[in-house]
Amino acid sequence: AQSVSQHNHHVILSEAASLELGCNYSYGGTVNLFWYVQYPGQHLQLLLKYFSGDPLVKGIKGFEAEFIKSKFSFNLRKPSVQWSDTAEYFCAAYNQGGKLIFGQGTELSVKP
Amino acid sequence: NAGVTQTPKFQVLKTGQSMTLQCAQDMNHNSMYWYRQDPGMGLRLIYYSASEGTTDKGEVPNGYNVSRLNKREFSLRLESAAPSQTSVYFCASIPWGSALAAFFGQGTRLTVV
Repeated sequence: AQSVSQHNHHVILSEAASLELGCNYSYGGTVNLFWYVQYPGQHLQLLLKYFSGDPLVKGIKGFEAEFIKSKFSFNLRKPSVQWSDTAEYFCAAYNQGGKLIFGQGTELSVKP
Repeated sequence: NAGVTQTPKFQVLKTGQSMTLQCAQDMNHNSMYWYRQDPGMGLRLIYYSASEGTTDKGEVPNGYNVSRLNKREFSLRLESAAPSQTSVYFCASIPWGSALAAFFGQGTRLTVV
């Protein structure tokens, strides 16, 4: 069965620290991967997506993610976080049958 | 361009009552989804409709039914609401054939007392 797992439930960082959020998926076929962000009181917004090709994808607001097929991973990174990055982050996997599954989410708190 | 519209935004139900959450998208997307969001659980897929005329169970379908009324509309029905169904519900849509991105509605906050 398709599933997505995020290892970090709550991450606390100081401004300018580097960020890496883990995401692993399980699915035997072709899968598209996403990271979404949810700011307090808002709905989900797309940060970045991977379909094929270059495994290092860049998204909005300085975020990037690396697809490592052998590890079934799609970790999100940012070199230097800002207070405004405080939000909840969700990894998601979409299969060719049309099913879109999300991970449990990681809450990021950035201290000014 | 309204995107994905959900109604209502807030609802309080008594245990055993029924209600339907409405979702409509004006982007001509083929696939539509219903999720529930609970603290620490992320978004869990309730039902989805990969294309008009089809619906499939997701991760947590028990206690819910759906109807894909047409290409634009995908409703979620709670036949007999239970306190465990207190949650925030999100509808989403995706264009068929390529997962460019999922577009989400603003959510429905449902409380069952």
